[in-house]
Amino acid sequence: DAGITQSPRHKVTETGTPVTLRCHQTENHRYMYWYRQDPGHGLRLIHYSYGVKDTDKGEVSDGYSVSRSKTEDFLLTLESATSSQTSVYFCAISGWTKSYNEQFFGPGTRLTVL
Amino acid sequence: AQSVTQLDSHVSVSEGTPVLLRCNYSSSYSPSLFWYVQHPNKGLQLLLKYTSAATLVKGINGFEAEFKKSETSFHLTKPSAHMSDAAEYFCVVSDNNAGNNRKLIWGLGTSLAVNP
Repeated sequence: DAGITQSPRHKVTETGTPVTLRCHQTENHRYMYWYRQDPGHGLRLIHYSYGVKDTDKGEVSDGYSVSRSKTEDFLLTLESATSSQTSVYFCAISGWTKSYNEQFFGPGTRLTVL
Repeated sequence: AQSVTQLDSHVSVSEGTPVLLRCNYSSSYSPSLFWYVQHPNKGLQLLLKYTSAATLVKGINGFEAEFKKSETSFHLTKPSAHMSDAAEYFCVVSDNNAGNNRKLIWGLGTSLAVNP
């Protein structure tokens, strides 16, 4: 398995509080992604990174920000959590030398916003 | 623009019978195509991938898929279903375009049930 961990694995928080999810990789891969998974929507890309300090928005980026200060860590922050952000969040990585866009996924973080 | 359509949201088969999960795609460039599997309350695992080599792709656990450019399809098949195959399956496309930063476009998933 690719060396990807996510923390925390489960979190319950209240509306209006800030939340940060962490993705950590040991593969030295260049590309990192944050997705959310919701019933009926499949996986939707929130933000992605194509290098240290290089990030861009995905299709559902409103209400989320990201940071990547070093290769191995990609942080997703909900500045002020809302109930609509209750979801399962997956981090994925893709290597610089890996061909054809193959992505490897972390175990996921289940976030509940009350 | 890229898109993926999984033609069935739910498929139910009996153990030992063939499995067919259908996927059509749209892509402006030469695509890469993937099938991922997600077992209940688990993460996502790559089942197989097409990357412009052989059009018939073999994956893990006896699954295979055939890339048909003329039909823009990438259907997933297995000759004989096993109870452990019950899961959610996602068809995924990515353009082999250097400008897309390796983004994947996901289908909405097909839930496979296997009945004893």
